[in-house]
Order: sequence, then structure tokens, then C-alpha cells
Amino acid sequence: KNEVEQSPQNLTAQEGEFITINCSYSVGISALHWLQQHPGGGIVSLFMLSSGKKKHGRLIATINIQEKHSSLHITASHPRDSAVYICAGQYNTDKLIFGTGTRLQVFP
Amino acid sequence: EPEVTQTPSHQVTQMGQEVILRCVPISNHLYFYWYRQILGQKVEFLVSFYNNEISEKSEIFDDQFSVERPDGSNFTLKIRSTKLEDSAMYFCASSTRDSSYEQYFGPGTRLTVT
Repeated sequence: KNEVEQSPQNLTAQEGEFITINCSYSVGISALHWLQQHPGGGIVSLFMLSSGKKKHGRLIATINIQEKHSSLHITASHPRDSAVYICAGQYNTDKLIFGTGTRLQVFP
Repeated sequence: EPEVTQTPSHQVTQMGQEVILRCVPISNHLYFYWYRQILGQKVEFLVSFYNNEISEKSEIFDDQFSVERPDGSNFTLKIRSTKLEDSAMYFCASSTRDSSYEQYFGPGTRLTVT
């Protein structure tokens, strides 16, 4: 069964801390998406990757194909980073399988 | 910056009624998607649409659901006879290519079935 698991479910941090959110998936993924969902519900795509590493500002996403694992890192976290972060896997079809999300709260 | 738009932002309907949720994808995008998120649960794929036909649908997307691109700009999701369990946030997304490429999400329509 194609599944995507995330950890932790909830994460709190002090402003400035380095944050890591983990995602593991079952075999056969062709692409892994990281998305951000704000309290109002809107979803923003952060990264789509199938190998290696991508960086955008303070966000870094990595994927290890052999270990079937991806991480999202936030450097120098800020209260405005508070949101739900979701990973979603694509398994050679149009269908994305979503993880349950990680709720991040960054306090000043 | 181009964005996906959805209307209405909130729809309240009675059980058994038909609803149409509307989306305007980004203009040069070719692939379109509907997702739903029941309150407190994960986002679920409903359907993908390309070249004026469904390319894939999930088990959730039964005969009560249909999608259409009635003109060059709108992409609609119709629920023929709503049930209480259809209450959810519905997101439209679009992409230049298939879902191995970045998808751009709309702000969502909150559907409440009473």
C-alpha cells in the first residue's frame, strides 16, 4: 500500500531554532512534494523533488531515495513560519498521497 | 503573480442538494486537480483532469461527483446529491505538466452540508 508518514505530528520551537520535519514513504515514489498549509486553510507548494536537495530562502528539502525518506529543514525559524507542513508522494500516477501534516508553532 | 482562484469561499447547502464548486486555474496550465480535506484529517486526492477528460480518480470520486471544463477558463466540481459526509474544504490545483511537477493550489471552498 502506498503510504506517506510524517513526524513529528506537532512541533514547537523558539524563534531562531533550526527545525527538521521528517517524511517517510513506501517504495515506488517518483516525486515528493512539500507543502505548507496556513491557519486559514490555504495550501502553498514549497518544493517538488525526486532526488538530492533543494533550497529556497531559509527552507531546505532533501530526499534519500535508498532510505525512502525526505526532510524539510527551516533555518533561523520565525513566528511567521508557524503553519502545518505536509509531505505528499506521487507514485507514478497523477494521484498524490498526503501525509497527516506536522503542525509547527514558533514562539518569539 | 498568477494564481488559482475558487468560488465561493464558503457554501452551505442542505443534504440532497446539488452543488457546483468553481475554479479558475492559472491560464497556461494544462493539468487540473480537485482535492478535499475533511476537518482535522489529511488532504485527499479526488480527481485529475487533462485534455478535457479525467486522467485519474480516487475511490471517493463516485457517481455523485463530476468535473467539467465548460469553457477555456473554468474548472468545476459538481456534487449531485450532497451528503453530510461531503462537508469538507475542497481545493482546486493546476499544473503546467503532470503531477510530477509543482502544483498551484487555490484558496479552497469550505462546503458545509446540513
